[in-house]
Amino acid sequence: AQSVAQPEDQVNVAEGNPLTVKCTYSVSGNPYLFWYVQYPNRGLQFLLKYITGDNLVKGSYGFEAEFNKSQTSFHLKKPSALVSDSALYFCAVRDGRDDKIIFGKGTRLHILP
Amino acid sequence: NAGVTQTPKFQVLKTGQSMTLQCAQDMNHNSMYWYRQDPGMGLRLIYYSASEGTTDKGEVPNGYNVSRLNKREFSLRLESAAPSQTSVYFCASSEESPRYSNQPQHFGDGTRLSIL
Repeated sequence: AQSVAQPEDQVNVAEGNPLTVKCTYSVSGNPYLFWYVQYPNRGLQFLLKYITGDNLVKGSYGFEAEFNKSQTSFHLKKPSALVSDSALYFCAVRDGRDDKIIFGKGTRLHILP
Repeated sequence: NAGVTQTPKFQVLKTGQSMTLQCAQDMNHNSMYWYRQDPGMGLRLIYYSASEGTTDKGEVPNGYNVSRLNKREFSLRLESAAPSQTSVYFCASSEESPRYSNQPQHFGDGTRLSIL
């Protein structure tokens, strides 16, 4: 069965520093990986996805993610954090053969001014 | 562009009461989903509809029913509400079923439901 893990409940980063939000996954087939962001009292918004091709994927708001097949990871990164990046981030995965996407439990990102 | 619209935004129910959560999308998407979000649990899929006329159970379907009324609308019904169903409920839609497309899901802003 497919699964996704976000090992950190919360990540604190100083403004201007690089940030990383971790995600690892398990699927039986080829993985399709997504990152979403949730701001307070709002629904999830799509940031980026990996389907195939280059391991480094660029998305919205300056975010990027690196797919690592050997480590089964898909970490979200940004070179320079902004206070406005503070939000809840979800990693999601689906098996290439399934109708469903499985979401991680979320990581709360705090950017400190 | 309304996207995915959920009604109501907030609701308080007593145990045993019934209620229907409404969801409509204006993006002509084929697939629609209902999730619940609980602290520390992330999003869990309740039911989904891969296309008009079909519905399937997700991870946590017990205590819920759904209706795909037409291509635009997908409702979630609690027949006899229980305190364990206190949660934030999100509706989402996508162009196609994930099995056939890698397009992302679009989410509504949620319904915050409290069961006393």
